[in-house]
Amino acid sequence: SQQGEEDPQALSIQEGENATMNCSYKTSINNLQWYRQNSGRGLVHLILIRSNEREKHSGRLRVTLDTSKKSSSLLITASRAADTASYFCATAPSGGYQKVTFGTGTKLQVIP
Amino acid sequence: DGGITQSPKYLFRKEGQNVTLSCEQNLNHDAMYWYRQDPGQGLRLIYYSQIVNDFQKGDIAEGYSVSREKKESFPLTVTSAQKNPTAFYLCASSIGDRGGPQYFGPGTRLLVL
Repeated sequence: SQQGEEDPQALSIQEGENATMNCSYKTSINNLQWYRQNSGRGLVHLILIRSNEREKHSGRLRVTLDTSKKSSSLLITASRAADTASYFCATAPSGGYQKVTFGTGTKLQVIP
Repeated sequence: DGGITQSPKYLFRKEGQNVTLSCEQNLNHDAMYWYRQDPGQGLRLIYYSQIVNDFQKGDIAEGYSVSREKKESFPLTVTSAQKNPTAFYLCASSIGDRGGPQYFGPGTRLLVL
């Protein structure tokens, strides 16, 4: 079953603009992760935020986590054409080992 | 270079045929995973293995089989019982099994003739 649901499903922006993607989930988590997938390729891990963290930065990426709302957002600042890809959130449930589950993804297009 | 490799990149299956997808990692990771991705969809877990000689079914294991005889290798067999095998198959590995980052291979696209 899909734990995370991304919103929007697709997003098209101009180069230099910021892109924001959201992820909602249903159960308590140990951590939440964001991945990028270029067309026809494997996924690449971008960032992991733990349940006791509220915000995390990595280069042009900013991730926030609101456990009370069971939601997370990924902000890509000053987007580039090379950021064109699908972005997935993945949740690791709390309470011992349970498998990480992936959302359905947001397809981002950055227009040069 | 450390990484995870999958082969072949494209695989064609005839009806009634079993085919095996290869996944190898040299990251010294204990856990390995197989996912299926359909067009415009997220990833669905087929099988995972937390340690050598042990593996568990994921959400969509029917029609698939795996083995984990070596730490580095986790091959997936798509059997003739899988009636809709056309998809993009992704293998991944992680250091442990506690929900940490996963490292993905480049994928194998399986098509049915």
